[in-house]
Amino acid sequence: SQTIHQWPATLVQPVGSPLSLECTVEGTSNPNLYWYRQAAGRGLQLLFYSVGIGQISSEVPQNLSASRPQDRQFILSSKKLLLSDSGFYLCAWSAKAGKTYNEQFFGPGTRLTVL
Amino acid sequence: AQTVTQSQPEMSVQEAETVTLSCTYDTSESNYYLFWYKQPPSRQMILVIRQEAYKQQNATENRFSVNFQKAAKSFSLKISDSQLGDTAMYFCAFERGNKLVFGAGTILRVKS
Repeated sequence: SQTIHQWPATLVQPVGSPLSLECTVEGTSNPNLYWYRQAAGRGLQLLFYSVGIGQISSEVPQNLSASRPQDRQFILSSKKLLLSDSGFYLCAWSAKAGKTYNEQFFGPGTRLTVL
Repeated sequence: AQTVTQSQPEMSVQEAETVTLSCTYDTSESNYYLFWYKQPPSRQMILVIRQEAYKQQNATENRFSVNFQKAAKSFSLKISDSQLGDTAMYFCAFERGNKLVFGAGTILRVKS
């Protein structure tokens, strides 16, 4: 069965510090991968998605970047965090083969607080 | 552009009662998919139900069912026999290519 991992679960960082959040998927190959941000009590905002290694699409211009160095690894980064980067970050994956719809499966999330 | 609107920020229901969460969307496409996701206090996103737009029959999953009105672009979620474990934030989502567009969510509280 497929599983998706995110770490760390919780992170408190000072303004101006770098960021690296990691997401890995097990039990599938060549998935679509997604990074979302959820502000407190709000909906999900798609930040980045990837259809393959090294292929990253950015949805919202911002202080963040994403990379996919391996097929099942997706990394969210920032060189200098802003207060507005605080939120709950969710990684998700979806299968390509054998599906006509994009059902996404979510990781447990990372709660980021920038002080 | 596709948008998804959930007009009820919060709702509450008594245990064992039925509740309906509203969702409307805007698209010019004729074939697409719609989803309801649940996010309990643990914040783990869980797929509740899926509807294919070309199917007129409303999807059902146990106590969860949808009322899909394609012409009205409406996709409401009905929860029957509400349970305390149904307390969560519920998101309606529309599929756009490889991506999902989410509504702002409805917080549902089930009271004992």
